[in-house]
Amino acid sequence: GAGVSQSPSNKVTEKGKDVELRCDPISGHTALYWYRQSLGQGLEFLIYFQGNSAPDKSGLPSDRFSAERTGGSVSTLTIQRTQQEDSAVYLCASSSIPSGVLTDTQYFGPGTRLTVL
Amino acid sequence: RKEVEQDPGPFNVPEGATVAFNCTYSNSASQSFFWYRQDCRKEPKLLMSVYSSGNEDGRFTAQLNRASQYISLLIRDSKLSDSATYLCVVNTGRRALTFGSGTRLQVQP
Repeated sequence: GAGVSQSPSNKVTEKGKDVELRCDPISGHTALYWYRQSLGQGLEFLIYFQGNSAPDKSGLPSDRFSAERTGGSVSTLTIQRTQQEDSAVYLCASSSIPSGVLTDTQYFGPGTRLTVL
Repeated sequence: RKEVEQDPGPFNVPEGATVAFNCTYSNSASQSFFWYRQDCRKEPKLLMSVYSSGNEDGRFTAQLNRASQYISLLIRDSKLSDSATYLCVVNTGRRALTFGSGTRLQVQP
């Protein structure tokens, strides 16, 4: 079946502009995660959605970052007034969490490479 | 101190060699542990979960030492295709996973 998809695959923008990144999780997966990975670094957790629960936003680095998940499926990560330090690969992952299991395998999308000039 | 720490490498080994990576984690309440593999400019993919009793999958063996709070990954008979970055991943109790920065492996012919 289809995996996690993300769009665009690459985005180049100018400092100060807003960008929107999209994630389509695997159908039926109730959990959706956003991470970012800077060059040569590990993954940094940004935000987590689980079903209809309030999202865990504890990883968002500033109030310029926000995310939505509409209808429990597609998610959009928005970065307002982009800065050069926002340049990174933004990865989305989804998982199906069985009851009684704290985490399940996360399946990652190919990522969006954001470059802020 | 980072929650999950790994030696960044690179580890340069010849084909057929055995190589081991270690990873330490700081949160003693961590409950689940994994190794992910990430190829250059690709997304991470689950390599294997790490169980308390240790587990093996073909040429790969993972072990967990809760007392010392470290996880290891052993790769036997290295192949060129094993060249990648290996990410140590820990569930610290939040829903999202905590990733180490990765250990880069380069297997040479």
